[in-house]
Amino acid sequence: DAGVIQSPRHEVTEMGQEVTLRCKPISGHDYLFWYRQTMMRGLELLIYFNNNVPIDDSGMPEDRFSAKMPNASFSTLKIQPSEPRDSAVYFCASTPRVLNTQYFGPGTRLTVL
Amino acid sequence: GQQVMQIPQYQHVQEGEDFTTYCNSSTTLSNIQWYKQRPGGHPVFLIQLVKSGEVKKQKRLTFQFGEAKKNSSLHITATQTTDVGTYFCAAHNAGGTSYGKLTFGQGTILTVHP
Repeated sequence: DAGVIQSPRHEVTEMGQEVTLRCKPISGHDYLFWYRQTMMRGLELLIYFNNNVPIDDSGMPEDRFSAKMPNASFSTLKIQPSEPRDSAVYFCASTPRVLNTQYFGPGTRLTVL
Repeated sequence: GQQVMQIPQYQHVQEGEDFTTYCNSSTTLSNIQWYKQRPGGHPVFLIQLVKSGEVKKQKRLTFQFGEAKKNSSLHITATQTTDVGTYFCAAHNAGGTSYGKLTFGQGTILTVHP
């Protein structure tokens, strides 16, 4: 298996632009998680899905952030409009069962100028 | 919500010295997981502890879960330069509407000087 796939790996954009991050979980994994990592705040859970349904989005910073999972093999995290404080590494992770190991993707390093 | 506190934030050691990082919670944990993140990489699962007082070993790494299931530790014997990275503990919400949510500690950044 190829593992969790994320794209793009790096994104540089200007303040106010829309940013879309993409994730393909490991096949057969029912849970998908989006995390954000910064030096100041560490690794934060933004939202997670079970069988494509959002379960907990309490970590989503504000209305500028939205996430979707239209099918079992694809999820997006969108920021519109982006701000410099959104600069971070965004990780997607998946797991086959709740309370199990989480498998992280390589991350997307986002820089908002 | 559930919180796990991890100390120290940073640890610098000479190659060959031992290293320990600690994770503490004010509430009883259903389990504890440990992850390692190499510089520029992504978190990679190391181990999961479930039972009270559990001790597991992986070569030079020893993981412990406290008797009260409120704390855990990771100990590395005779560090090597390949041990460099950030070590995270993480705990699951075992009930409620956020069942399955994993909360990460702040991590301990380990630097090993050759």
